[in-house]
Amino acid sequence: GAVVSQHPSRVICKSGTSVKIECRSLDFQATTMFWYRQFPKQSLMLMATSNEGSKATYEQGVEKDKFLINHASLTLSTLTVTSAHPEDSSFYICSARGALAKNIQYFGAGTRLSVL
Amino acid sequence: KQEVTQIPAALSVPEGENLVLNCSFTDSAIYNLQWFRQDPGKGLTSLLLIQSSQREQTSGRLNASLDKSSGRSTLYIAASQPGDSATYLCAGYYNQGGKLIFGQGTELSVKP
Repeated sequence: GAVVSQHPSRVICKSGTSVKIECRSLDFQATTMFWYRQFPKQSLMLMATSNEGSKATYEQGVEKDKFLINHASLTLSTLTVTSAHPEDSSFYICSARGALAKNIQYFGAGTRLSVL
Repeated sequence: KQEVTQIPAALSVPEGENLVLNCSFTDSAIYNLQWFRQDPGKGLTSLLLIQSSQREQTSGRLNASLDKSSGRSTLYIAASQPGDSATYLCAGYYNQGGKLIFGQGTELSVKP
């Protein structure tokens, strides 16, 4: 199956700093990428959807200025958590979808963010 | 509103037992339904995907069924093993909105 690489797998940062998470589709062109957040023992909550070359569409309640999403190419999307605070600590997972198989998403391995 | 619900939230069984995980969805206009496995602190591993036109899919000891009319899907695990211990998530894909809607997951523990 298709491969989605997410980096870093774990990051620890100080409060007030910004953190960038990368999501790459390795063997297909990802026309759409999704970013999810997962709290302990809870399900995945969709944060935003981004189409290559367009602005991301954020779900209700997700701060656009806090979680900056860039999808500048067909193989790379980034999520930047700006001015991170301890309440932003969570597990972030990206997924990608190609143009040919529009109903199948491939998931990255996730990034554990801990803000001290 | 499109919602996906999983019951039970947690399940503990002895090794070797056959078990069923349940998933229900409110909107029957589902395009496909997917079952995932998630190990602690890890990403998602896709197990089975059932298209709306299909009734079931099988992979090894796993069998997933889909009944759109009743809004239900089940994941059957035969002869469970300790290595099956993980959280199992079901997710429905809807053309309207183009999103995967996830259930809350069932945390499975298989005791040796």
